[in-house]
Amino acid sequence: QKEVEQNSGPLSVPEGAIASLNCTYSDRGSQSFFWYRQYSGKSPELIMSIYSNGDKEDGRFTAQLNKASQYVSLLIRDSQPSDSATYLCAVTESNYQLIWGAGTKLIIKP
Amino acid sequence: DTEVTQTPKHLVMGMTNKKSLKCEQHMGHRAMYWYKQKAKKPPELMFVYSYEKLSINESVPSRFSPECPNSSLLNLHLHALQPEDSALYLCASSRWGSSGVQVSGELFFGEGSRLTVL
Repeated sequence: QKEVEQNSGPLSVPEGAIASLNCTYSDRGSQSFFWYRQYSGKSPELIMSIYSNGDKEDGRFTAQLNKASQYVSLLIRDSQPSDSATYLCAVTESNYQLIWGAGTKLIIKP
Repeated sequence: DTEVTQTPKHLVMGMTNKKSLKCEQHMGHRAMYWYKQKAKKPPELMFVYSYEKLSINESVPSRFSPECPNSSLLNLHLHALQPEDSALYLCASSRWGSSGVQVSGELFFGEGSRLTVL
């Protein structure tokens, strides 16, 4: 059973600090990696896509991919209370199925 | 403003009712999806339409019946549901789609329809 794993949290981070969210995946042939943010009671919103090893930055968000270690992370700099949400990692596997992690709940404390 | 619109936002129905969920996208996308999400769980894929043809049915019970009248519209017809079908039903679209099992990871979700089955 191919899996995408995330720590369910909650991960508590002080306002202004860096929040680091992690995701591991089991299918070494995975090609595409996504981070979604989901506020309580709302629908998921795509915030980052990453397709090759290394870092990808978009504003306060940085996605990091290490295919050798089968690891993808999301860094949120200068965390704000509005960043408090559940962050879902999703991975497109070698058979093109999209597999979701269970999500990490992030709490930013003022 | 969301470009994937779902109606209704909330629906309460009895086990003998027939109702429909509707989704409309104005993004020019050719793939549309229905997902089901239970509390504290990730979205669970139900159906994928690619170029208005059903390309994926994830072994969903026949009490759920999808329909894609055109490239912008997606319906989910509900009949004889069970209380355990209560969930948030999410419609999504993506820029590309093809036959087979491809599912885009770059999904644009509607706000969802929260369904309660009594």
